[in-house]
Amino acid sequence: EAQVTQNPRYLITVTGKKLTVTCSQNMNHEYMSWYRQDPGLGLRQIYYSMNVEVTDKGDVPEGYKVSRKEKRNFPLILESPSPNQTSLYFCASSLRPGSLSTQYFGPGTRLTVL
Amino acid sequence: QKEVEQNSGPLSVPEGAIASLNCTYSDRGSQSFFWYRQYSGKSPELIMSIYSNGDKEDGRFTAQLNKASQYVSLLIRDSQPSDSATYLCAVFPGKTIFGAGTRLFVKA
Repeated sequence: EAQVTQNPRYLITVTGKKLTVTCSQNMNHEYMSWYRQDPGLGLRQIYYSMNVEVTDKGDVPEGYKVSRKEKRNFPLILESPSPNQTSLYFCASSLRPGSLSTQYFGPGTRLTVL
Repeated sequence: QKEVEQNSGPLSVPEGAIASLNCTYSDRGSQSFFWYRQYSGKSPELIMSIYSNGDKEDGRFTAQLNKASQYVSLLIRDSQPSDSATYLCAVFPGKTIFGAGTRLFVKA
């Protein structure tokens, strides 16, 4: 089954404790991205990756890191989480970047930083 | 001014009625337009895409695009309680930008 998976689905942590949210897709997609969703603000892009070893900042990259060592995986790293990073996070992938390529979303990770 | 604006709702319609969802965008260079549906606690899923002015129909859904007025709309005919969700408008002026979404509630 074609899918995007994220882990963990729920996470409660404390300020400053490094964490990683994994994202994996089995569709051989080139393009992957991370979004955060907050009430009233919609989905905002954090980072994206055009292909292996190619990543770039989205609209709200502060406090986050990513890596793309393999085509299928795109982990999101919070080196020192803060309460303002409490949010719902989605990983998404598409065959290629661009207007004609449908984005497929993972199930989401609900993160709470105390 | 937000890049993509939607009325947050909730928009409440009776079962069987037409639900009309609207979206305006600021970047005239936007090339592609999308509507995603997101059920509570779930991830967004694409339901319609439209690229040129006019109407595009798919089953009970019709997307309408007017680039001159910079708006895109989604009509849902014969609304069902299962259509109750948040509908996200997204535009592509070189990157995908999402609106905050409109909550739709279809009353049985």
